[in-house]
Amino acid sequence: DQQVKQNSPSLSVQEGRISILNCDYTNSMFDYFLWYKKYPAEGPTFLISISSIKDKNEDGRFTVFLNKSAKHLSLHIVPSQPGDSAVYFCAASGSNNAGNMLTFGGGTRLMVKP
Amino acid sequence: DAGVIQSPRHEVTEMGQEVTLRCKLISGHNSLFWYRQTMMRGLELLIYFNNNVPIDDSGMPEDRFSAKMPNASFSTLKIQPSEPRDSAVYFCASSLVFGSRDTQYFGPGTRLTVL
Repeated sequence: DQQVKQNSPSLSVQEGRISILNCDYTNSMFDYFLWYKKYPAEGPTFLISISSIKDKNEDGRFTVFLNKSAKHLSLHIVPSQPGDSAVYFCAASGSNNAGNMLTFGGGTRLMVKP
Repeated sequence: DAGVIQSPRHEVTEMGQEVTLRCKLISGHNSLFWYRQTMMRGLELLIYFNNNVPIDDSGMPEDRFSAKMPNASFSTLKIQPSEPRDSAVYFCASSLVFGSRDTQYFGPGTRLTVL
């Protein structure tokens, strides 16, 4: 039973355009959400996060939107750059979890074409 | 800081052999997480520690898997005996503070192939 799902395994976008990566979750106890980026042969690196008390968090070209009623979050990258090409994982944690245990989605491979 | 260090980076072994994966935490971090990434299951948490003590090992797939933290900066994940279905990339991650929303920092991973 996947509690965090990324239904698009891959996404291709032209450089300069917007990239939108989507993530859905089922566990209503999740209240903190993160996006990680992963390049080949490297470990995931933290990108941006959002708490459930917010519906938007922005950091430079990256913005995460949270729709709690739909149990859906999305990551927007504007403008997309070739260096953004990577696998993006969304992750979630809940207040019922001790510590900061994360549940990850399956990942979406983003390809930004020059 | 060198970040989280994992060794070996690649491991190829035969079914039935013992495999030991190693992880060195970022200095000063006190939480340690072991993950496994496969095509079928994505990135899944196996076990995590706080101050060298295992907190939750519910993700460990079988008794063939065991993990230890002999000291505050080092951990091992052992598979004995290994099976082909254990082939995956294994990541460890560390964070500074347990019980908070502190960022987890991942190592580069160990790619394990069991023939």
